[in-house]
Amino acid sequence: GESVGLHLPTLSVQEGDNSIINCAYSNSASDYFIWYKQESGKGPQFIIDIRSNMDKRQGQRVTVLLNKTVKHLSLQIAATQPGDSAVYFCAENILDAGNMLTFGGGTRLMVKP
Amino acid sequence: DSGVTQTPKHLITATGQRVTLRCSPRSGDLSVYWYQQSLDQGLQFLIQYYNGEERAKGNILERFSAQQFPDLHSELNLSSLELGDSALYFCASSVLQISSQFFGPGTRLTVL
Repeated sequence: GESVGLHLPTLSVQEGDNSIINCAYSNSASDYFIWYKQESGKGPQFIIDIRSNMDKRQGQRVTVLLNKTVKHLSLQIAATQPGDSAVYFCAENILDAGNMLTFGGGTRLMVKP
Repeated sequence: DSGVTQTPKHLITATGQRVTLRCSPRSGDLSVYWYQQSLDQGLQFLIQYYNGEERAKGNILERFSAQQFPDLHSELNLSSLELGDSALYFCASSVLQISSQFFGPGTRLTVL
């Protein structure tokens, strides 16, 4: 069953295209950021993380960009596949303040075959 | 599969009742976290334990409590349940106090 609200912003892309999911974070003191993917009926799945001393980090088919000036985070997915369809959350953390993540509201990615 | 296990998967109960949710962290992880995911509040941090000790508290109600046992599994106790407690409850674990968190499949609690 669905695990998130019905009024999420939705990004619809064609299979094979690149996707860009954006996130505005709230706390200028945050120094650690994570992207999670959540499929229907499942728990959040770790995708990629980045620390505030970096502005870009690449993984397999994914890239995270961090712009601390405007408190903006983005997740780029290359060659989007139907299996990428899910809700994507960014989360922020202040490492010296413990490890409690503050999650954004999420974006639903729909991939059209 | 993250390696974090949670039981039960679904739980249906009545208002005023008490339930216990269980979490087993990934092998080797010392830190356990509980989160609540509801339709109107999104994912919210409740509480963190590290090696048996409480480390951080978030938006956890006084009716809720948790503990981490010597074998590192954790339980979240929810009492005097209200309709608004209906939500998905996730457990996550990490190796250290400060490191990437991996989530379990969740327990869906329905309070009628």
